[in-house]
Amino acid sequence: QQQVKQSPQSLIVQKGGISIINCAYENTAFDYFPWYQQFPGKGPALLIAIRPDVSEKKEGRFTISFNKSAKQFSLHIMDSQPGDSATYFCAASRPNAGNMLTFGGGTRLMVKP
Amino acid sequence: DAGVIQSPRHEVTEMGQEVTLRCKPISGHNSLFWYRQTMMRGLELLIYFNNNVPIDDSGMPEDRFSAKMPNASFSTLKIQPSEPRDSAVYFCASSLGLSIGAFFGQGTRLTVV
Repeated sequence: QQQVKQSPQSLIVQKGGISIINCAYENTAFDYFPWYQQFPGKGPALLIAIRPDVSEKKEGRFTISFNKSAKQFSLHIMDSQPGDSATYFCAASRPNAGNMLTFGGGTRLMVKP
Repeated sequence: DAGVIQSPRHEVTEMGQEVTLRCKPISGHNSLFWYRQTMMRGLELLIYFNNNVPIDDSGMPEDRFSAKMPNASFSTLKIQPSEPRDSAVYFCASSLGLSIGAFFGQGTRLTVV
């Protein structure tokens, strides 16, 4: 059972545009929602994370928006750059299980120059 | 710090052979995770160690898989006997506790022919 659903599977954005990736979860017990970035041949790297007590978290060009009632969260990449081209994964975990992560299926982002 | 170190980076083996994947976590980290990544199933948690003790191995697919952590600086994931469906990229990750983001190694790409 896929507990975290991610969309779209792939995304093409022009340089300078906004990239938006969405995730929805089923388990209401989840309380930690990180996003990971993965380049080809590399392991996933933590990008930004949020807990459900806040509705938005911003770090540089990356913003997580969180909607607890809808059980959805999204990643916004502002001013997208070619160097942002990578696969992005959302994830979730239960209380006291922070890095025992359930991952979404991933979104392959391509930012065109 | 060199980060999480995994070896080998690539492994090709014949069906039925034993395969051992190795991981050196970041010094000082007390939580270690093994994940598997495939196109079909995405990123899946296999097992979680805390202070060298296996805490959750519910993701280990079957008895052919075993993992050990004999000390704080070394872990192994063993598959015996290996099967073609075990072909995947296996990641090791470590963290300081559960609440701080996990750092992933570069992975071991396993091909079973």
